[in-house]
Amino acid sequence: EPEVTQTPSHQVTQMGQEVILRCVPISNHLYFYWYRQILGQKVEFLVSFYNNEISEKSEIFDDQFSVERPDGSNFTLKIRSTKLEDSAMYFCASRPSGGPTGELFFGEGSRLTVL
Amino acid sequence: AQSVAQPEDQVNVAEGNPLTVKCTYSVSGNPYLFWYVQYPNRGLQFLLKYITGDNLVKGSYGFEAEFNKSQTSFHLKKPSALVSDSALYFCAVRASGNTPLVFGKGTRLSVIA
Repeated sequence: EPEVTQTPSHQVTQMGQEVILRCVPISNHLYFYWYRQILGQKVEFLVSFYNNEISEKSEIFDDQFSVERPDGSNFTLKIRSTKLEDSAMYFCASRPSGGPTGELFFGEGSRLTVL
Repeated sequence: AQSVAQPEDQVNVAEGNPLTVKCTYSVSGNPYLFWYVQYPNRGLQFLLKYITGDNLVKGSYGFEAEFNKSQTSFHLKKPSALVSDSALYFCAVRASGNTPLVFGKGTRLSVIA
């Protein structure tokens, strides 16, 4: 069964460093998302991406964050200068089509620890 | 803006007993409702969804959920709980179009043998 894959599974970084989290969505999917979860708590929306541009972003997704789909398969989340409060589990998700009815398919997550 | 409330942080149930995990929602227009499960150190797995039609929706692993429009609820149920059902359960809602899926804070289900 096709699945969303994420790398790395765990990254430890120093405060102020840049981090790139990578995702390979399911191949025929068109809509892509990043969510984050702090300490096994609420799952928070960060950004959605369609047709090579951001379609929606939350208040969390400030200028320190960026996304891109550089080669038609990878979907990356970059944090330019990490803060302690960026420590979280970051989930990538995708779905094949738009509209309100489709469920998201999630990856296993990338745990980011900022020291 | 849409929102979801899961009033219980933790639900404990004995194996073999029925379980209910509660969810209420707030959305303008028709709600599109989803349940996901998260096992330790894993991603979120889709269980079931309500789009339209029959108020009782059946999903994976024997779970079902009942949509109640008048009470704006979408409670997750299972007739007979298994220890392996122990996990974190998230309710989510989407309004119309391509708005993001908004998740509740999650309910930790513990099934005791």
